[in-house]
Amino acid sequence: GQQLNQSPQSMFIQEGEDVSMNCTSSSIFNTWLWYKQEPGEGPVLLIALYKAGELTSNGRLTAQFGITRKDSFLNISASIPSDVGIYFCAGQEGAGGGADGLTFGKGTHLIIQP
Amino acid sequence: EAQVTQNPRYLITVTGKKLTVTCSQNMNHEYMSWYRQDPGLGLRQIYYSMNVEVTDKGDVPEGYKVSRKEKRNFPLILESPSPNQTSLYFCASSAGHSTGELFFGEGSRLTVL
Repeated sequence: GQQLNQSPQSMFIQEGEDVSMNCTSSSIFNTWLWYKQEPGEGPVLLIALYKAGELTSNGRLTAQFGITRKDSFLNISASIPSDVGIYFCAGQEGAGGGADGLTFGKGTHLIIQP
Repeated sequence: EAQVTQNPRYLITVTGKKLTVTCSQNMNHEYMSWYRQDPGLGLRQIYYSMNVEVTDKGDVPEGYKVSRKEKRNFPLILESPSPNQTSLYFCASSAGHSTGELFFGEGSRLTVL
């Protein structure tokens, strides 16, 4: 499958700080998605992006679909303890065709220091 | 409540002893998929199914089998487990094969000794 480069691998931040993470690919994707996995649970969808240049917010989370269609970023503003977890990006190939064309990044571990 | 249910959640077994991890969803989703999660490797797809009786290999299908006899169920079968199949397994479903908006189960942690 395709390769997604997700960075950073891990982040150690103080509560209240803003967070930024991104994913890049050598291939074009038609959909970018961001998931969060909390300890002991499965990933949960945070934001889905379907159009190049699209900027979408979900509370304190903001994600953008890069204009080249080869990248996406996720920002979290004013982090709180419950933001701890692993954040995965995922890119989907094809014209809306197939979750089988979904590729996941390796995840960004977000750790919030008291 | 909409959910994807996996069983067992935890299992320790021995090499060669056949096992099945069940997955069931109550959302009438057409698409279902299995992933394994390993440290440093992220989520890797094992098998997926577009609909009943339609299954396809993902990126890491070796050593696994699946079946999709009913829409709601998608069991993962390890005919002869080996230690390199020790992993955290996730089942996921989505409303149609045109979306990557997956609903994941809570995971099944498998240890093969």
